[in-house]
Amino acid sequence: NAGVTQTPKFQVLKTGQSMTLQCAQDMNHNSMYWYRQDPGMGLRLIYYSASEGTTDKGEVPNGYNVSRLNKREFSLRLESAAPSQTSVYFCASSVGSANTEAFFGQGTRLTVV
Amino acid sequence: AQKITQTQPGMFVQEKEAVTLDCTYDTSDQSYGLFWYKQPSSGEMIFLIYQGSYDEQNATEGRYSLNFQKARKSANLVISASQLGDSAMYFCAPPNYGGATNKLIFGTGTLLAVQP
Repeated sequence: NAGVTQTPKFQVLKTGQSMTLQCAQDMNHNSMYWYRQDPGMGLRLIYYSASEGTTDKGEVPNGYNVSRLNKREFSLRLESAAPSQTSVYFCASSVGSANTEAFFGQGTRLTVV
Repeated sequence: AQKITQTQPGMFVQEKEAVTLDCTYDTSDQSYGLFWYKQPSSGEMIFLIYQGSYDEQNATEGRYSLNFQKARKSANLVISASQLGDSAMYFCAPPNYGGATNKLIFGTGTLLAVQP
């Protein structure tokens, strides 16, 4: 009954360091998403993968890269972390039809100092 | 350009009363839908309800219902008999933003506080 699993749950980076956030879903979903949520704000789409083998930019893609490794996994990479990337990151997945909801992971709290 | 508008940054409601949260999706698409999600202070995102523009009846899920007005392109969330546990952020989102398949973009949200 795992659903969407994100690792790690917490991370502190120094400015300029790189890291990859991992996301995996076990629901055989076609679409996967990465969002960031700054304090007191809404969710902003970073990148999404509408289906295995495709990735597209969202609202705030700069400073990030993604890989849809297979149908289950969708990773988010920060090549050179900046304090402005301090945020909570959510991964989500959905079947990919218009009327089916997305399921979310528990989030990764990232702090860049 | 497509735009999702939630005009109420914050709202108060008395316990046991009903409350309506607004969401408008300015789109040129003839067929569209809107999801509503809840995010309590613990941070998880919880799906509440969905309706498509061609659904004939307003969607209902327990105490949640949608007041879908196709001409205004709005799908307002109605929570009946508010409970303290309804205090949370509420977000709406169309499933195919700007006509892009499966592009899920959220509105800015409404913070609801239920008062005893």
